[in-house]
Amino acid sequence: NAGVTQTPKFQVLKTGQSMTLQCAQDMNHNSMYWYRQDPGMGLRLIYYSASEGTTDKGEVPNGYNVSRLNKREFSLRLESAAPSQTSVYFCASRFFLAGGDEQFFGPGTRLTVL
Amino acid sequence: GQQLNQSPQSMFIQEGEDVSMNCTSSSIFNTWLWYKQDPGEGPVLLIALYKAGELTSNGRLTAQFGITRKDSFLNISASIPSDVGIYFCAGLLKTSYDKVIFGPGTSLSVIP
Repeated sequence: NAGVTQTPKFQVLKTGQSMTLQCAQDMNHNSMYWYRQDPGMGLRLIYYSASEGTTDKGEVPNGYNVSRLNKREFSLRLESAAPSQTSVYFCASRFFLAGGDEQFFGPGTRLTVL
Repeated sequence: GQQLNQSPQSMFIQEGEDVSMNCTSSSIFNTWLWYKQDPGEGPVLLIALYKAGELTSNGRLTAQFGITRKDSFLNISASIPSDVGIYFCAGLLKTSYDKVIFGPGTSLSVIP
């Protein structure tokens, strides 16, 4: 049981380059999330997916796109990277049933945009 | 947009002391969640709260869902060095079932 996996762990991009961050979970959770965390700040929600086939904007969606490929996978794409997107990106999955929350975060992707 | 505030921003305490921190918002929440993040890792869910007034414990941690539904509190009793980290509150708004937003965090340092 791997939980939530993210690839890559580290990435350096030049301004204007594109890339996709991959996230997968093996816990059969319905909901998945992408957050970014900047130094000294909390996690800001970029996009989330309540179920396979649905995605919704979070607090800071500009400059990003997402795909919920299937129940396991939720990818985040930067079409034209900017230095302001330098951050640590966390993927998470969540399952809620009858008053109980089960939520796990991945280890993060550390992205630097030059 | 919706915003969560956490206080204090940081704390330095002696080992063995009790710790209190809180989370407030101008919006009404249906669910409050408390997490701990260790350096270089993702947050780990500690406690989840679902009803106004609810008090829930997890070992030395106790959290409460505020009566107004606009705040939540986390207490840590008899702190130990491994309690060091950043504690985040997060919540689900009354209007959203799945949108989990986070506060800015409280950094806790424990002096042995």
